[in-house]
Amino acid sequence: DQQVKQNSPSLSVQEGRISILNCDYTNSMFDYFLWYKKYPAEGPTFLISISSIKDKNEDGRFTVFLNKSAKHLSLHIVPSQPGDSAVYFCAASALGDSNYQLIWGAGTKLIIKP
Amino acid sequence: NAGVTQTPKFRVLKTGQSMTLLCAQDMNHEYMYWYRQDPGMGLRLIHYSVGEGTTAKGEVPDGYNVSRLKKQNFLLGLESAAPSQTSVYFCASSYLLEGAFAGANVLTFGAGSRLTVL
Repeated sequence: DQQVKQNSPSLSVQEGRISILNCDYTNSMFDYFLWYKKYPAEGPTFLISISSIKDKNEDGRFTVFLNKSAKHLSLHIVPSQPGDSAVYFCAASALGDSNYQLIWGAGTKLIIKP
Repeated sequence: NAGVTQTPKFRVLKTGQSMTLLCAQDMNHEYMYWYRQDPGMGLRLIHYSVGEGTTAKGEVPDGYNVSRLKKQNFLLGLESAAPSQTSVYFCASSYLLEGAFAGANVLTFGAGSRLTVL
């Protein structure tokens, strides 16, 4: 039973356009969400996060939107650049969970076409 | 600043052999984790540690053991390797945010260790 789902295994976007990566979750106890980016042969690196008290968080070209009622979040990258080609993981946690565990989606491979 | 270092990066084992993966972090983080990543699946937590001398089971602990004798090191052991343990293993360490997001967890990962069990 996957609590965090990234239903698109891959996404191809033209350079300069907007990339939108989606993530759905089922556990209503989740209240903190993170996006990680992973290049081949490297470990994931933290990209951006959002708390359930917000519905939007921006950091440069990256914006994460959270729709709590739909249990859905999305990562927008504008404009997309070749260096954005990577696998993006969505992760969720419940701040009240004393184990502080993250639950991960399966990832979406983003390909930016020149 | 090395961050999180995993050794070895690659290893091939035969079924039944044993081995240890070493993870070292230089950020003075309390929390450390071992994950495995398999095709089409998210990262799955094997074991974790909330401090020196402590360990706990994660989502998929069977067939693995861990030890955290020093704060900066977290070892993952396979006593009798099986082909199902062929995977990429990631170590991570973390601190917990304080203030408004107290308890939120930001992980720093190592580069991964690719293990093949024949």
